[in-house]
Amino acid sequence: DAGVTQSPTHLIKTRGQHVTLRCSPISGHKSVSWYQQVLGQGPQFIFQYYEKEERGRGNFPDRFSARQFPNYSSELNVNALLLGDSALYLCASSLAGGGASGTDNEQFFGPGTRLTVL
Amino acid sequence: GQNIDQPTEMTATEGAIVQINCTYQTSGFNGLFWYQQHAGEAPTFLSYNVLDGLEEKGRFSSFLSRSKGYSYLLLKELQMKDSASYLCAVRDISGGYNKLIFGAGTRLAVHP
Repeated sequence: DAGVTQSPTHLIKTRGQHVTLRCSPISGHKSVSWYQQVLGQGPQFIFQYYEKEERGRGNFPDRFSARQFPNYSSELNVNALLLGDSALYLCASSLAGGGASGTDNEQFFGPGTRLTVL
Repeated sequence: GQNIDQPTEMTATEGAIVQINCTYQTSGFNGLFWYQQHAGEAPTFLSYNVLDGLEEKGRFSSFLSRSKGYSYLLLKELQMKDSASYLCAVRDISGGYNKLIFGAGTRLAVHP
């Protein structure tokens, strides 16, 4: 079975541009979470989607938006790019998105998209 | 507030044992994960603790004390390939959904 896939692998943009990052979860997983990892730091939570609805949002500006499609894949959009948006963007999928403990909520990470803003 | 602390860097010798500590403060604790991350790659799952005590998995063990807000990852028989960043992450359920809150990571360098 394929794991979490993300595209593109690498991306170079200039300030002010817009970017769309894509993620396909593990087959059967209904929840997708997005994280931003700046060099030298741990990943920071951006969004979580479950069954096509936003479950939660981290402390990111409105320039960041996301959506989940009927096939559970997801897109992360960032508008008006800033230099500080340069980071590794990680997508993680899990079976469920609710509050239960246990392995149903274990998150599996994709390889990430490396975004460079010049 | 939510805060996770772990040492920035550690060095160790091949074949030795190293312990990476993590302290946390969160409002909705629902388990603690350790991930390994090689440079430029995604985090990979190492261990999960939700109850107090020690979980052992091969060369890796992880310990949790919920009352102290403390965990450690123990790596035995270190190998050169263990040189990586180790991320402590708390699964937080505040807001009614699970999200991972990561520490900044501990960069481990294993020397011959």
